[in-house]
Amino acid sequence: GQQVMQIPQYQHVQEGEDFTTYCNSSTTLSNIQWYKQRPGGHPVFLIQLVKSGEVKKQKRLTFQFGEAKKNSSLHITATQTTDVGTYFCAETNSGYALNFGKGTSLLVTP
Amino acid sequence: GAVVSQHPSWVICKSGTSVKIECRSLDFQATTMFWYRQFPKQSLMLMATSNEGSKATYEQGVEKDKFLINHASLTLSTLTVTSAHPEDSSFYICSAPPTVLAKNIQYFGAGTRLSVL
Repeated sequence: GQQVMQIPQYQHVQEGEDFTTYCNSSTTLSNIQWYKQRPGGHPVFLIQLVKSGEVKKQKRLTFQFGEAKKNSSLHITATQTTDVGTYFCAETNSGYALNFGKGTSLLVTP
Repeated sequence: GAVVSQHPSWVICKSGTSVKIECRSLDFQATTMFWYRQFPKQSLMLMATSNEGSKATYEQGVEKDKFLINHASLTLSTLTVTSAHPEDSSFYICSAPPTVLAKNIQYFGAGTRLSVL
């Protein structure tokens, strides 16, 4: 299927700064999921968004799904070194397989 | 919660040999499992869908004769990389959608890092 576009590819921030990654699709998304992959690790599910305009928060993480269901964002407030990793957005296809974005690699320096 | 176990986590093999990777769902049954491949600094790409009791479905560009998938039971899927070559070196990850739990949420195995010399 068509890949979900994700930017930026890399982001380097100082600890305490905010971070945002964006996903966009030319077609309407049925849902959007976010995963975090630590270096050398496997993807870990963070959240799923389904409804238009949906906003969900997990501590310092805020997830948004656009009104048109064509874009989504993940915002981290006051990053910590434990936030280091690659963040992927993904959409499930009709068979529940995941169509991943290219990911945003976050580096946080103390 | 749902757990997917993948084995081995690392494998180094000589070019031309075959490597088998196992993916098990530990506390739930999975009629479907997915196999992904991730090259360094790239995203995960779906290789194939493993179906219990029927043939696997391969994504475009994935050679079914090279990447043999067997879904032997409701808790086990295996991926065999036949006649592996250095270009097959990658991170292979399986996942299973836990149908009993929330739909559309997948749990991943820890992955298998394959290095072909």
